[in-house]
Amino acid sequence: QKEVEQNSGPLSVPEGAIASLNCTYSDRGSQSFFWYRQYSGKSPELIMSIYSNGDKEDGRFTAQLNKASQYVSLLIRDSQPSDSATYLCAVNPGYSTLTFGKGTMLLVSP
Amino acid sequence: KAGVTQTPRYLIKTRGQQVTLSCSPISGHRSVSWYQQTPGQGLQFLFEYFSETQRNKGNFPGRFSGRQFSNSRSEMNVSTLELGDSALYLCASSDPGTGAYEQYFGPGTRLTVT
Repeated sequence: QKEVEQNSGPLSVPEGAIASLNCTYSDRGSQSFFWYRQYSGKSPELIMSIYSNGDKEDGRFTAQLNKASQYVSLLIRDSQPSDSATYLCAVNPGYSTLTFGKGTMLLVSP
Repeated sequence: KAGVTQTPRYLIKTRGQQVTLSCSPISGHRSVSWYQQTPGQGLQFLFEYFSETQRNKGNFPGRFSGRQFSNSRSEMNVSTLELGDSALYLCASSDPGTGAYEQYFGPGTRLTVT
């Protein structure tokens, strides 16, 4: 069974710190990788996508992909209280669906 | 572009009834996927439609069904509702032509079965 694993958290960081969120996946054939942010009571919002090994930066967010280790991570620099949310890792296994992890709750304290 | 829209936003039904949820994708997006989200199971894939054809289906009973219309709008139906069907139902659209499979979610329909 294709799985995406995330630490459920909560991950607590102080304002201004770097938050590091991790995700592992089981299907080696996975092609595309995504991070979604979901605020309580809202729907998931796509914040990062990554398709090849290495780092991809977008503002305060950096996604890292290591296909050999089947590992994806999201770094949030200069964390703000408004970043407090659940972060969902999603993997495309090679066809037109996404498999989601259960998410990591991030709490950023002022 | 307008985002994905879903109607209704909230729904309360009684066990045994059926329900139909609607989703309008982002303009130009021809793929629509449906997910069920519960606190215990997270986001679980229901099915995906492209050009009015179901391309993929998740591991849900036959009570869950869907369809897509020629304008890419999609509906999902749940028959003989059970208490365990209470969940947030999310629709996501994507443009497979990009090859990226980035999915954009609507606001969801919160279904409560009593």
